[in-house]
Amino acid sequence: RKEVEQDPGPFNVPEGATVAFNCTYSNSASQSFFWYRQDCRKEPKLLMSVYSSGNEDGRFTAQLNRASQYISLLIRDSKLSDSATYLCVVNMRDSSYKLIFGSGTRLLVRP
Amino acid sequence: DAGVIQSPRHEVTEMGQEVTLRCKPISGHNSLFWYRQTMMRGLELLIYFNNNVPIDDSGMPEDRFSAKMPNASFSTLKIQPSEPRDSAVYFCASASRAQETQYFGPGTRLLVL
Repeated sequence: RKEVEQDPGPFNVPEGATVAFNCTYSNSASQSFFWYRQDCRKEPKLLMSVYSSGNEDGRFTAQLNRASQYISLLIRDSKLSDSATYLCVVNMRDSSYKLIFGSGTRLLVRP
Repeated sequence: DAGVIQSPRHEVTEMGQEVTLRCKPISGHNSLFWYRQTMMRGLELLIYFNNNVPIDDSGMPEDRFSAKMPNASFSTLKIQPSEPRDSAVYFCASASRAQETQYFGPGTRLLVL
């Protein structure tokens, strides 16, 4: 079983739609959680950290469920520019530098 | 501010040749990471340096891979000899401290024929 699992998609949605991605992680010792965004043929960039209480950044909301070991990302009012691959990332308590990346969920927002 | 700089951006080589990838981290960052990304395996950490010292190289696939960081502003990842299965995108990332946000460079696309 992979340490971080994501539905690869693609999720194909119209502009303005709300879309949600989930991610599950296998190691209960995971300490920190993030969503990264990767555009086609570009490098990954941090989208947002995920806090236990949930957090919001504009149209983006991230939530963490430690009991079920899953993380979610909600995108409201999706824009064409949101089209990208969204990577779920965790790091472990015993090696705080080591990020474990999911394989990503691809989002396509159509006009 | 300049981000992480990598060179070359693209490299095409033949099996058996030596390949050297270069990285200049963001000035003032003490942590440097080399990653490899493939369709099959996703993004994997190869090696991590802190203050120019290799801390964790458990992700380095085999002895053909080596990495150095002679000073705070430069690191290399070398593959010798290269093989077709080494074809991937290699990213370098840096962070002010190990636990802080990692900033990725644009990557080097390597194709080994």
